Amino acid sequence: DAGVTQSPTHLIKTRGQHVTLRCSPISGHKSVSWYQQVLGQGPQFIFQYYEKEERGRGNFPDRFSARQFPNYSSELNVNALLLGDSALYLCASSLDAGVISGANVLTFGAGSRLTVL
Amino acid sequence: QKEVEQNSGPLSVPEGAIASLNCTYSDRGSQSFFWYRQYSGKSPELIMFIYSNGDKEDGRFTAQLNKASQYVSLLIRDSQPSDSATYLCAAKLYNQGGKLIFGQGTELSVKP
Repeated sequence: DAGVTQSPTHLIKTRGQHVTLRCSPISGHKSVSWYQQVLGQGPQFIFQYYEKEERGRGNFPDRFSARQFPNYSSELNVNALLLGDSALYLCASSLDAGVISGANVLTFGAGSRLTVL
Repeated sequence: QKEVEQNSGPLSVPEGAIASLNCTYSDRGSQSFFWYRQYSGKSPELIMFIYSNGDKEDGRFTAQLNKASQYVSLLIRDSQPSDSATYLCAAKLYNQGGKLIFGQGTELSVKP
């Protein structure tokens, strides 16, 4: 079975540009979460979507937005890119929203490495 | 104070030894805890999770949780060079399913 797939794997943008990152969850998983990982740090939560609705938002500016489609795939959009947006963007999927179950496990994709020049 | 803190690395152990990785958390609303392993340039992969006080064993790995002390640890027995990676501790708050709060990670190096 395919795991969490992300595209593109690498991309280079310049300041002020816009980027769209894509994620397909594991088959049967209805929740997608996005994380940003800067070199040398742990991942930071950006968004969670479940059944096409936003279920959580981290401490990121409004330049970051996301959505989930009927097939549960998801897009993360970042506008007006800054140098500090350079990072590994990770998508993770899980079976459900994980509100009740303490054992809701996130499976991460390989990530999209964004470099902003 | 960071919400999830891990002991600073890098941690170096000889092959065959026990590696001990530690993590503390500040929010008593944390419900469950996860250990992920991340090889350089790769994405995190789940090792195990724990949400009850005490020990949980899975092969060479043992997770320990002490909610009173707000402390989580991961023991790796019979460490192998292939265990060399960064280990990430993460906490999940009750009612926040997709949001894990990660520590900064501890780099482990297992020397042959």
